[in-house]
Amino acid sequence: NAGVTQTPKFQVLKTGQSMTLQCAQDMNHNSMYWYRQDPGMGLRLIYYSASEGTTDKGEVPNGYNVSRLNKREFSLRLESAAPSQTSVYFCASSEIRRLSGANVLTFGAGSRLTVL
Amino acid sequence: SQQGEEDPQALSIQEGENATMNCSYKTSINNLQWYRQNSGRGLVHLILIRSNEREKHSGRLRVTLDTSKKSSSLLITASRAADTASYFCARGHGGGGADGLTFGKGTHLIIQP
Repeated sequence: NAGVTQTPKFQVLKTGQSMTLQCAQDMNHNSMYWYRQDPGMGLRLIYYSASEGTTDKGEVPNGYNVSRLNKREFSLRLESAAPSQTSVYFCASSEIRRLSGANVLTFGAGSRLTVL
Repeated sequence: SQQGEEDPQALSIQEGENATMNCSYKTSINNLQWYRQNSGRGLVHLILIRSNEREKHSGRLRVTLDTSKKSSSLLITASRAADTASYFCARGHGGGGADGLTFGKGTHLIIQP
């Protein structure tokens, strides 16, 4: 099983350029997420999609847009990149465990983005 | 805002020793989870403890939860070099919601051979 696949793994952008990070999962999970990870800050939620056709803002949504293309795919778009968006981006998907009602996440390997 | 805070930020021990990491949080939880992140990789789920549980075991991992103190600890027994990684606690909001987890800043664990 591939799990959660993110592309690209690395990207360098100039300020003002746009780009889309792609994410796909093959576990038939309903929910998908985009986090960013910065040194000393842990992981912060950007956007999430509880199910196909829905998206919601997380803790740090400014400067980003998302699209839940279908159940498998959830993309993150930077319309006009800024140096403050230099980060490592993680996509995740989740299942709600029946017994506990807990939301357990499976993460991709990450996409390292540098904005100059 | 970060709801889970790990302590210590960094921990270095000898192989074979036990490693203990702590996590504090501010608001009520449905469950608390621990994840591991190896350098340059994504996070991997380790163990989950529900708010009505006090202790949980999985192999060399032991998790405790004290909801009155809003804290949890992760104990790794008989540490190995392969345990070198960052460990994060994550607060689950529960209620069947899919609004993600809130992660702490992590503890960086180094196991010295």
